[in-house]
Amino acid sequence: AQSVSQHNHHVILSEAASLELGCNYSYGGTVNLFWYVQYPGQHLQLLLKYFSGDPLVKGIKGFEAEFIKSKFSFNLRKPSVQWSDTAEYFCAVTRSGNTGKLIFGQGTTLQVKP
Amino acid sequence: NAGVTQTPKFQVLKTGQSMTLQCAQDMNHEYMSWYRQDPGMGLRLIHYSVGAGITDQGEVPNGYNVSRSTTEDFPLRLLSAAPSQTSVYFCASSSGSYNSPLHFGNGTRLTVT
Repeated sequence: AQSVSQHNHHVILSEAASLELGCNYSYGGTVNLFWYVQYPGQHLQLLLKYFSGDPLVKGIKGFEAEFIKSKFSFNLRKPSVQWSDTAEYFCAVTRSGNTGKLIFGQGTTLQVKP
Repeated sequence: NAGVTQTPKFQVLKTGQSMTLQCAQDMNHEYMSWYRQDPGMGLRLIHYSVGAGITDQGEVPNGYNVSRSTTEDFPLRLLSAAPSQTSVYFCASSSGSYNSPLHFGNGTRLTVT
């Protein structure tokens, strides 16, 4: 069965610090990968997605992620975080062509101190 | 644009009661799914549907039933609520086509006492 592991459960950064959140998945076939963000009290919103092509994908609000197939990883990065990035971040994976059945990681809570 | 609409937003049940969480989407999406979100466990897939009349189990289906009689609606039924079902429930939909992400509803916060 597919699974997704997010290494950091709770990250605290100061504004302007760089961010990298780890995500590893277990599935040997072709996958689609996603990062979602959940701001306090809100529903999940898509940050970025990888389906094929350039393994470095750029999303909204300055976020990017790199798909490294050999490492089964899809880490999320942002060069300089802002207080408004305080949220919970979820990595998710699905088999290619089955975008309705996402498997999510446990989530990482990011707290950015002003 | 309504997107994915969930009702109610909040619900308190007593153990053993039944209820239905409603989910409707107006995007003509084929895929619909239900997740529950619990602290430290991320989102776990309960049931999903790839089209009207077709449903399947996800990671944590026990205690929940679903049906998909129309493309628009995908209700989630709790037949006999248990405290372990206290959670936040999210409905999501997708066109299912290549490059199509999930669209989430605003969630239903359920407490079972």
